[in-house]
Amino acid sequence: DAMVIQNPRYQVTQFGKPVTLSCSQTLNHNVMYWYQQKSSQAPKLLFHYYDKDFNNEADTPDNFQSRRPNTSFCFLDIRSPGLGDAAMYLCATSRSTSRETQYFGPGTRLLVL
Amino acid sequence: DQQVKQNSPSLSVQEGRISILNCDYTNSMFDYFLWYKKYPAEGPTFLISISSIKDKNEDGRFTVFLNKSAKHLSLHIVPSQPGDSAVYFCASGTYKYIFGTGTRLKVLA
Repeated sequence: DAMVIQNPRYQVTQFGKPVTLSCSQTLNHNVMYWYQQKSSQAPKLLFHYYDKDFNNEADTPDNFQSRRPNTSFCFLDIRSPGLGDAAMYLCATSRSTSRETQYFGPGTRLLVL
Repeated sequence: DQQVKQNSPSLSVQEGRISILNCDYTNSMFDYFLWYKKYPAEGPTFLISISSIKDKNEDGRFTVFLNKSAKHLSLHIVPSQPGDSAVYFCASGTYKYIFGTGTRLKVLA
């Protein structure tokens, strides 16, 4: 039973063409996170939502936006993808933010042509 | 500035022996530590965690040790099995986590 679902698993977009990645969860967790992971690097937190409260990391480029229309869904929008945005994008959830396990989805691999 | 470091990119261990994966952190404010396992084409899966008030936590074949004075944690897997072959990430933090770059473990049959 999938708990954190990400669609699509693979996404190909063109340089500069907006793209949206989606994440849904069946855990009813309050917090949803988006991470970017490039090859052989650590997952890097982009932002997270605690319920409807959006928390952006200081070094997340403005090109990356997020929406959380309800508890179950969260979207990552890349307004103008560059070649450097090609990466694995991981969605995670947790009950709260303090000393809680984060549960990850399988990720979406983004390719920018 | 890497606040969480896994200095060994890879490790090979014989089946049945102990695997020891290491992780160092720099921020003394970090009070919660986790290990995740990741198979190819899958997301990280939670393995085990430890709070800063403890120095050891055990779950079956997996034990995590925390040395706060050295800002070091380690994951011991005993005995190692071929199915343990994966990339292991440590993560540390307070209300959000910083991940290491991972160690690829290969358990040889």
